[in-house]
Amino acid sequence: ETGVTQTPRHLVMGMTNKKSLKCEQHLGHNAMYWYKQSAKKPLELMFVYSLEERVENNSVPSRFSPECPNSSHLFLHLHTLQPEDSALYLCASSSWIGKPQHFGDGTRLSIL
Amino acid sequence: AQKVTQAQTEISVVEKEDVTLDCVYETRDTTYYLFWYKQPPSGELVFLIRRNSFDEQNEISGRYSWNFQKSTSSFNFTITASQVVDSAVYFCALSEANRDDKIIFGKGTRLHILP
Repeated sequence: ETGVTQTPRHLVMGMTNKKSLKCEQHLGHNAMYWYKQSAKKPLELMFVYSLEERVENNSVPSRFSPECPNSSHLFLHLHTLQPEDSALYLCASSSWIGKPQHFGDGTRLSIL
Repeated sequence: AQKVTQAQTEISVVEKEDVTLDCVYETRDTTYYLFWYKQPPSGELVFLIRRNSFDEQNEISGRYSWNFQKSTSSFNFTITASQVVDSAVYFCALSEANRDDKIIFGKGTRLHILP
């Protein structure tokens, strides 16, 4: 058990749909992260939250919208996605920024 | 099942010493990718290298070198003449080639370079 749970595990959606990815951590951590992992690219950091405040946004298109309602939950809201957005989306958490990260199993997203 | 083991939880060395971080993996796939990432105190993961399972050549990049040995399922990472800025957590990871639905990370090795 990783302590970081992501749902759903798989998601297939059309380009006009709106969906959300959910991440929940039971580790008492204060920092949470969204990463994108494509088949042929290394991991890309998308967003970082610390104490529910966004501290980093790595030039991610606005069709990805994160939300961190509390320190245990992190969402990634998706709308009007493109085929190139198909990837594995990983959530991670750490006790504080700079501390070791614990990863969830990821959500595999396929855009039709 | 796929698995990545980084047996060294934490390592401390004095600056200018060489240090090797171990990574042992398990997979039944014949085609896969291996990665090393660095996580500095700022928190984000920094990509260091990706190695295809068919390419067993060792690679050197400045003070960094990687030793991929399929026979022992290991992909070790050596830092030569370590510097304080190398202090970080280092993650080894494994993914199946041409599939983005699964990447397995090791638990990481925290490296302290002492001045």
